[in-house]
Amino acid sequence: SQQGEEDPQALSIQEGENATMNCSYKTSINNLQWYRQNSGRGLVHLILIRSNEREKHSGRLRVTLDTSKKSSSLLITASRAADTASYFCATDGDSNYQLIWGAGTKLIIKP
Amino acid sequence: NAGVTQTPKFRVLKTGQSMTLLCAQDMNHEYMYWYRQDPGMGLRLIHYSVGEGTTAKGEVPDGYNVSRLKKQNFLLGLESAAPSQTSVYFCASSRYRGGYEQYFGPGTRLTVT
Repeated sequence: SQQGEEDPQALSIQEGENATMNCSYKTSINNLQWYRQNSGRGLVHLILIRSNEREKHSGRLRVTLDTSKKSSSLLITASRAADTASYFCATDGDSNYQLIWGAGTKLIIKP
Repeated sequence: NAGVTQTPKFRVLKTGQSMTLLCAQDMNHEYMYWYRQDPGMGLRLIHYSVGEGTTAKGEVPDGYNVSRLKKQNFLLGLESAAPSQTSVYFCASSRYRGGYEQYFGPGTRLTVT
């Protein structure tokens, strides 16, 4: 079953602009992760935020988590053409072993 | 380190044929996973393993079997392929249980005609 739902499904912005995508989930979590998938490639882990954290940074990435709203956002600042990819959120939900994945946001950076 | 590798990269099967997808990791990870990815959907877990000699069903296990005879390898088998199994298959591994960072292979694109 799909727990995470990303919003928007697709996003197209100019290079240099900021990109924000959102993820909503249904059950309580221990942590939430964001992954990137370039076209035709495997997923690459970007960042993990624990349920007791509200914000986390990694380079040009900023992730926020609001457990009261069961939502997270991923902000990519100063976007580059190389950021063109699909972005997925994943939560552990109530499982010890399984990640539950959203359907992803497809981000296109126009030069 | 190669990380997680998958073979083959592409395969076309006829309905009813069988095949095995091989996943190998060189990071000494205990946990390994097989996912399928279909257009417009997130990853769905087929089977997973929490250590050598163990396997467990995920969300969509029907029509698939797995084996983990060696810690570094996780095999996914299709005994009688069906068109509904046309998908991209990803293997992943992790050092800790599923709620932590997973490392993915490049994927296998399977078409069943």
